[in-house]
Amino acid sequence: NAGVTQTPKFRILKIGQSMTLQCAQDMNHNYMYWYRQDPGMGLKLIYYSVGAGITDKGEVPNGYNVSRSTTEDFPLRLELAAPSQTSVYFCASRPGTVNEKLFFGSGTQLSVL
Amino acid sequence: GNSVTQMEGPVTLSEEAFLTINCTYTATGYPSLFWYVQYPGEGLQLLLKATKADDKGSNKGFEATYRKETTSFHLEKGSVQVSDSAVYFCALSSSGGSNYKLTFGKGTLLTVNP
Repeated sequence: NAGVTQTPKFRILKIGQSMTLQCAQDMNHNYMYWYRQDPGMGLKLIYYSVGAGITDKGEVPNGYNVSRSTTEDFPLRLELAAPSQTSVYFCASRPGTVNEKLFFGSGTQLSVL
Repeated sequence: GNSVTQMEGPVTLSEEAFLTINCTYTATGYPSLFWYVQYPGEGLQLLLKATKADDKGSNKGFEATYRKETTSFHLEKGSVQVSDSAVYFCALSSSGGSNYKLTFGKGTLLTVNP
């Protein structure tokens, strides 16, 4: 019972580099989310998806892209990393029923230097 | 828009002390309310929830009551343990269906000393 799996756990990037944060869930959940967590600022929604082939912007989408080609995977792409993207990134999923809880991955700590 | 305000941390308590973490919200309609907990090095986990006014959510000795008149959802526990040390997030849901999203507070760090 893996749940939501995120890779990598830690990464250091140089300004301008690109990378993809991976997220996979094995619970057949329709809804998936990407959040970033900045110190003392709570979680901000970056992008979300309600099913394969469907994605939409959250509160802070600038500088990021996502895709959802399968139900299981929801990768987050940073094209030109900036210091402002230094954060902890969490992927989450839920089945799709009303008021159902979110299942979170353990996070990716990203530093852009 | 929706917003959640939590009491500022950090909160430091001795084992067996009483805990209150205040949470108030601003929302349109009738949101559901949640408390999530984040243990060190882990993702968030749902602690408890309440889906309508006057509902009480409870789990692991923690309780919170949905008070619509005061727009509050304060978290309480009568006797904390060292293992309760974590960051606690209050959250509310937007409308259901495809627009369902959670709005989180900033989090409150709780440290319980033996």
